[in-house]
Amino acid sequence: AQKVTQAQTEISVVEKEDVTLDCVYETRDTTYYLFWYKQPPSGELVFLIRRNSFDEQNEISGRYSWNFQKSTSSFNFTITASQVVDSAVYFCALLTNYGQNFVFGPGTRLSVLP
Amino acid sequence: GAGVSQSPRYKVTKRGQDVALRCDPISGHVSLYWYRQALGQGPEFLTYFNYEAQQDKSGLPNDRFSAERPEGSISTLTIQRTEQRDSAMYRCASSFRDRDEQYFGPGTRLTVT
Repeated sequence: AQKVTQAQTEISVVEKEDVTLDCVYETRDTTYYLFWYKQPPSGELVFLIRRNSFDEQNEISGRYSWNFQKSTSSFNFTITASQVVDSAVYFCALLTNYGQNFVFGPGTRLSVLP
Repeated sequence: GAGVSQSPRYKVTKRGQDVALRCDPISGHVSLYWYRQALGQGPEFLTYFNYEAQQDKSGLPNDRFSAERPEGSISTLTIQRTEQRDSAMYRCASSFRDRDEQYFGPGTRLTVT
């Protein structure tokens, strides 16, 4: 069975601090895809990144970076120099070849305080 | 518009009534997904289509829920004989191809009284 765990329910940081959101996944499939989505207070779900299981190269996009470690089944998300606008719920999600359905984690609520 | 649209945005219905929720995906997107999101939780998969074919409906809670996408574009999620436990945000998403990133609509907030 597929499962996504986001152990951090809520995180609070002060603006300009770096913060890492953890994501651990479970799947028996060798081909799978990992995603991060942001859900700001307005409620929409915003796509951030997609990574397939064959590409372990870490990615950086501006203040955002992602660390994919197959050995530990983790796909962690780091925000550098956090800003108030980063305050949102962040979801990690898994899509495998055995189903077209996404399995979402429970989300981590990030609050960035000014 | 360029994004996924859903209607209505808000729906209040009485227990026992049927409701139909509509999703208009991004033009040209092959795959369309329905999710349900309870407050404070992540989206929960309901069903998905490639073109007009329903590929997976394993997430539909029971036979009161059904979905269709007859022409491979707009989709309708129907809930018959609604119950209070059906109250939630229902979200639709579409993707250009299988396993691509999904783009979500604004959701329909369903309240069953």
